[in-house]
Amino acid sequence: GAVVSQHPSRVICKSGTSVKIECRSLDFQATTMFWYRQFPKKSLMLMATSNEGSKATYEQGVEKDKFLINHASLTLSTLTVTSAHPEDSSFYICSAITWDRREYGYTFGSGTRLTVV
Amino acid sequence: AQSVAQPEDQVNVAEGNPLTVKCTYSVSGNPYLFWYVQYPNRGLQFLLKYITGDNLVKGSYGFEAEFNKSQTSFHLKKPSALVSDSALYFCAVRQGYGGSQGNLIFGKGTKLSVKP
Repeated sequence: GAVVSQHPSRVICKSGTSVKIECRSLDFQATTMFWYRQFPKKSLMLMATSNEGSKATYEQGVEKDKFLINHASLTLSTLTVTSAHPEDSSFYICSAITWDRREYGYTFGSGTRLTVV
Repeated sequence: AQSVAQPEDQVNVAEGNPLTVKCTYSVSGNPYLFWYVQYPNRGLQFLLKYITGDNLVKGSYGFEAEFNKSQTSFHLKKPSALVSDSALYFCAVRQGYGGSQGNLIFGKGTKLSVKP
C-alpha cells in the first residue's frame, strides 16, 4: 500500500534554531499533503494543507512565517519550524491522500517528536 | 461544519471480552468516516472506513464498525479484545464533500486499555 516516510522521528534543538521535517511519498504521487500537530494526550489539529507547486493554505491561528511549508515535488513536502521556541515542542504528523485501486483514503507519516530546549 | 465526537476519554476492557469505542458525527451531505489507531510516539494506522455501501464495515486486526445514519454514529467494535489492542483510537470525518479532497477532522481520541 501507499507509504509516507517521515523524517526525522525525533529531534531536539536549541531555542532560536530552525528544524526541517520531511515527508516523502514512496510509491505514489502526493499532490496534497496535510500537516498536523498533536499535543500530549490530545487530538490532531490541522496546521496547513500543501499542494504541489503552490503556496500552502494555513489554518487560522497558525503562523505561516514560523511554520514554512514547501511542496516542490509530487513526492516531497517539508515543514520547517523557524526560530523554534519551547512552546513549539510537539508531535508533528503529515498525511497524504491516496488512491489505491480506486479506493480513496489517507496515509500518515510516522510522526516527528520535536523538543525545543 | 463537519465534526466528530468521541464521548469516552478511556475505555477499559478485559482481554477476551468484546470492546466498543464510540463515535458520533455531524456532517452536511454524505459522510466519509474513518477509524485510526495510534501507538505511543507513532503515526496513525488505518483500521477501516465507510464511504458508501454496507453499513457494517470490516477492517484490520479484527475490528469492525457500523455506520448508523439515523443515530449519526460509527462505533468501533471487536468481538474479543487483545492486550495488544491497547492504544489510542481516533474517529475522523473528511472535511468537505463531493469531489473535494479535504483533510480529516479528528475526534479527541479514546484510550483503550485491555487488561489480561
